Amino acid sequence: AQSVTQLGSHVSVSEGALVLLRCNYSSSVPPYLFWYVQYPNQGLQLLLKYTSAATLVKGINGFEAEFKKSETSFHLTKPSAHMSDAAEYFCAVSRMDSSYKLIFGSGTRLLVRP
Amino acid sequence: SAVISQKPSRDICQRGTSLTIQCQVDSQVTMMFWYRQQPGQSLTLIATANQGSEATYESGFVIDKFPISRPNLTFSTLTVSNMSPEDSSIYLCSVARDRDHEQYFGPGTRLTVT
Repeated sequence: AQSVTQLGSHVSVSEGALVLLRCNYSSSVPPYLFWYVQYPNQGLQLLLKYTSAATLVKGINGFEAEFKKSETSFHLTKPSAHMSDAAEYFCAVSRMDSSYKLIFGSGTRLLVRP
Repeated sequence: SAVISQKPSRDICQRGTSLTIQCQVDSQVTMMFWYRQQPGQSLTLIATANQGSEATYESGFVIDKFPISRPNLTFSTLTVSNMSPEDSSIYLCSVARDRDHEQYFGPGTRLTVT
């Protein structure tokens, strides 16, 4: 069965500092991997996705993630945090089949200090 | 991407009543899903809404409690039946197309049951 683990329910960084949000996955087959962001009182917005092409994936708002098969990880990074990055971030995994079902991690709330 | 709207955006309901949530997409999509996000938690898939046939429910969710309709490729409804305070959650619909595994989310319906 597939699963996603996000380490750290809360991450706090200073504005301008590096953002690192951790995600580890478990999948018996090659997965699709996603990062979504949820701003307060809003739905989810797709930040980026990995679909077995390049292992370094660039997304919107300056975020990127690197797929590391040996570590079963797909950590999200941003070189310099902005106050507007404060939100909840979810990592998700999908099977490479026709079901399209997503399994979400527990989420990480990013706090950005001025 | 896809533009998804949900109605209502929020509601406060009495226990024992039912609420129907609508999801409208701006273009035809293959897959539509319904998720529940309990307060402070991650997303859990309720069911896949199948066009012209019965929805496919995930473990722990049943049709009598969460009847779903999908009359065409751009519209679906989720009903939360015989509500209890434990049903207080955000309910989100999402869509996916054939050509990729990305899911796009609606803004959600915030339900409070008193």
